[in-house]
Amino acid sequence: DIQMTQSPSSLSASVGDRVTITCQASQDISNYLNWYQQKPGKAPKLLIYDASNLETGVPSRFSGSGSGTDFTFTISSLQPEDIATYYCQEYDNLYTFGQGTKLEIK
Amino acid sequence: QVQLQESGPGLVKSSETLSLTCTVSGGSVSGYYWTWIRQPPGKGLEWIGYIYYSGTTNYNPSLKSRVTMSVDTSKNQFSLKLSSVTAADTAVYYCARDRSSHFDFWGQGTLVTVSS
Repeated sequence: DIQMTQSPSSLSASVGDRVTITCQASQDISNYLNWYQQKPGKAPKLLIYDASNLETGVPSRFSGSGSGTDFTFTISSLQPEDIATYYCQEYDNLYTFGQGTKLEIK
Repeated sequence: QVQLQESGPGLVKSSETLSLTCTVSGGSVSGYYWTWIRQPPGKGLEWIGYIYYSGTTNYNPSLKSRVTMSVDTSKNQFSLKLSSVTAADTAVYYCARDRSSHFDFWGQGTLVTVSS
């Protein structure tokens, strides 16, 4: 089984800050990695697919990069509406999610 | 815009079978994979399995012995059955459209509580 390790598990940042979340796979998954945003009481929303492709309609302040085992998700300038939990998800071997990163406003 | 809506009992007794249906509107189940994902209260996301519109399935190995999925193209629905439930199966259950890599449309989720 592929394990996905996200860090940090929680993060506090100020509006306008650059925020970075990492996701590490236990084995090479090429670029088979997606990122989701989940707000409280809501379903997750796809933001980034195939490691670096922005889903249609998602603001350009969100971006993703990486390949192999190490991946990065970035918010270039944090906005109040970005408060949520973020999950990575691999699809190299069925589907596995990271444990999530809870993002809060400082 | 594709919309998904989960339906089914919100309370299931321990050792019984959880049954949920996902109704798709604004699009067809035909031609796509459809997935179930769950999230225990306060915890992360767990993929349960997917079904192709033709009926082909693939389940999470950790749940495989208890999961059955089906699809009804005439009703534009697909369903989940999880047998022998315990308190550990208490979760919000989501259905989603599966693009064989990512999940682009999700239902709002339905909380299923397993009671003793």
